[in-house]
Amino acid sequence: RKEVEQDPGPFNVPEGATVAFNCTYSNSASQSFFWYRQDCRKEPKLLMSVYSSGNEDGRFTAQLNRASQYISLLIRDSKLSDSATYLCVVNIDTGRRALTFGSGTRLQVQP
Amino acid sequence: DAGVTQSPTHLIKTRGQQVTLRCSPKSGHDTVSWYQQALGQGPQFIFQYYEEEERQRGNFPDRFSGHQFPNYSSELNVNALLLGDSALYLCASSFTGDSPLHFGNGTRLTVT
Repeated sequence: RKEVEQDPGPFNVPEGATVAFNCTYSNSASQSFFWYRQDCRKEPKLLMSVYSSGNEDGRFTAQLNRASQYISLLIRDSKLSDSATYLCVVNIDTGRRALTFGSGTRLQVQP
Repeated sequence: DAGVTQSPTHLIKTRGQQVTLRCSPKSGHDTVSWYQQALGQGPQFIFQYYEEEERQRGNFPDRFSGHQFPNYSSELNVNALLLGDSALYLCASSFTGDSPLHFGNGTRLTVT
């Protein structure tokens, strides 16, 4: 079983749609959680951290369910510029970042 | 404020050769991590350097080695290159403790 699993997609959605991605992780000792965004042939960039109580950043909402070991990302009112691969990331160590990445979910927002 | 810089951008090598990739961390960052990203996959953690020592290592063979210099910059060395080593190699830096990672643009290595 992979340490971090994501649906690879692609998710093809129209502009303005709401789309949700889920991610499961296998190590119950995982300490911190993130969503990164990666555009084609570019480096990953931090989209948002995921907190136990859930958190929101504009059109993006992240949630964590420790009991079921999954993380979700909700994007509301999708924009063309949201088209990218979204990487679910967990960190087992509370110290320096040795992150474990999922394979990513590709989102294509269509006009 | 310069971000993470990596060199070279692209590299083509032959099986069996050796390669050295370089990374300069973001200003103020002291920890450097290296990741390998194969096509269609997420980045895989290779190792991490802090205070010029390897602190953590992922599931990569000894052919992969590294170094960190007193100015916090880092090198990744790969010996006896295999075709399967073809990938995007990403360097990421962070500050001691619980700070987010900042990635460089990566070095795309092709092994023929």
